[in-house]
Amino acid sequence: DAGVIQSPRHEVTEMGQEVTLRCKPISGHDYLFWYRQTMMRGLELLIYFNNNVPIDDSGMPEDRFSAKMPNASFSTLKIQPSEPRDSAVYFCASSFDFPGEQFFGPGTRLTVL
Amino acid sequence: EDQVTQSPEALRLQEGESSSLNCSYTVSGLRGLFWYRQDPGKGPEFLFTLYSAGEEKEKERLKATLTKKESFLHITAPKPEDSATYLCAVQDASGYSTLTFGKGTMLLVSP
Repeated sequence: DAGVIQSPRHEVTEMGQEVTLRCKPISGHDYLFWYRQTMMRGLELLIYFNNNVPIDDSGMPEDRFSAKMPNASFSTLKIQPSEPRDSAVYFCASSFDFPGEQFFGPGTRLTVL
Repeated sequence: EDQVTQSPEALRLQEGESSSLNCSYTVSGLRGLFWYRQDPGKGPEFLFTLYSAGEEKEKERLKATLTKKESFLHITAPKPEDSATYLCAVQDASGYSTLTFGKGTMLLVSP
């Protein structure tokens, strides 16, 4: 298996633009997690899915953030409109059980100018 | 609210110089404590899960231990390839809680 795949690896955008981050989890994993990592706050959970259903989105900072998982092999995290304070590295992770041994993707480094 | 504090924030060792990293936690009840390793520019990589005080787990030069208030990651005779940030996370026993991560300890091992 190729592991968790994320795209793009780097994204630079201007304030107010829409940003979409993509994730392909490991096949057979029932749980998918979206995290954000910054120097100030460390690694924070934004939302997680179980069998494609959002279970806990209490970590989503505000309504500008949304996440979907239309099928078992694909998830998106969307920020609209983006702001400079959204600049961070966003990780997707998947696991077979909860919270389990989570396998992280390489991350997307987002810079909002 | 669950809290995880890791110390030191950064640690520099000479190759072969053993040391320990600390993870102190506050939870209403511990379901599990997790250690991850993160290399620069990469996602965290799972190392260990500990479930109860007194439990120990080992992997190569790493040994993780757990008490009721903290966990230690002991590094014996480290090599430069052990250089990374080590993250600790806890899952509390209340409901179906997710992981709370510490900010990590950045370890640099010099040859």
